[in-house]
Amino acid sequence: QSVLTQPPSVSGAPGQRVTISCTGSSSNIGAGYDVHWYQQLPGTAPKLLIYGNSNRPSGVPDRFSGSKSGTSASLAITGLQAEDEADYYCQSYDSSLSGHAVFGGGTQLTVL
Amino acid sequence: QITLKESGPTLVKPTQTLTLTCTFSGFSLSTSGVGVGWIRQPPGKALEWLALIYWDDDKRYSPSLKSRLTITKDTSKNQVVLTMTNMDPVDTATYYCASRGYDILTGYYRVPYFDYWGQGTLVTVSS
Repeated sequence: QSVLTQPPSVSGAPGQRVTISCTGSSSNIGAGYDVHWYQQLPGTAPKLLIYGNSNRPSGVPDRFSGSKSGTSASLAITGLQAEDEADYYCQSYDSSLSGHAVFGGGTQLTVL
Repeated sequence: QITLKESGPTLVKPTQTLTLTCTFSGFSLSTSGVGVGWIRQPPGKALEWLALIYWDDDKRYSPSLKSRLTITKDTSKNQVVLTMTNMDPVDTATYYCASRGYDILTGYYRVPYFDYWGQGTLVTVSS
C-alpha cells in the first residue's frame, strides 16, 4: 500500500465533472511537498497531466485541473469525454521513507 | 524533441541480475538540474518509483529496493543504466525510464516529476 491513497475507481457520464482524490499525511502532502498527476491510457506509458499541484503542461486541456489542501490533493476533470477513460496516478514525496518520490495506488476512471 | 527508450532482456531467471539501459536524446545529463529516473509497473498494478540519477551524479533509490538497485549514467552515450540484483517473479513488470520535468518559468521542482517517458519494456522473471 502506498502512503498516498487514491480511490480504486471513479466513474462519470460524458459531460460531467469528476474528481480524484489523493490523500496523504503530515510526512508528505501535509508537509508541503508538491503533488503531480499522470494519466495512463490502456497499454501506454504514463503521461504527465499536472505538475506542481496545479500546473498543466503544454497541450493538456484546461478541462483538467489540480489542487491541494492540507494533507490531500485532487484532480478534477470537467466536461468528461470518452477519451478520458484511463488510470490516473498522483505522485509526491514522503519524508518518512527517505526516498525521493512516491506514487499513489492509482484510480481507474470509467466514462459511462 | 526529447525521446527515451528502454532496452534489455525480456526474460530473466530468478536470482539473476537485471540490467536495463535507457537511451535518450534531446537533452544532456551534463546540464545542471537534469535527471533521469526509473519507474516500474507490474501487470495490472500501480506505478512504483525505483531510482533517479542527477546531472551531478547524485543518486536516489526507493528505500524498499535500495539494497538491490544501482543506477549509473554515461553522459557521452546519453545513457542511464539500472541494475537490479536477485530478481524474483514478483519483479515481473514493465520498466520505464523518464526524464525529470522542468518548468521554463519556475525551473526544477524540489519534488521531481517526470515529463517525458519511454515506451517501457516488459521484463518477465521466470525459470
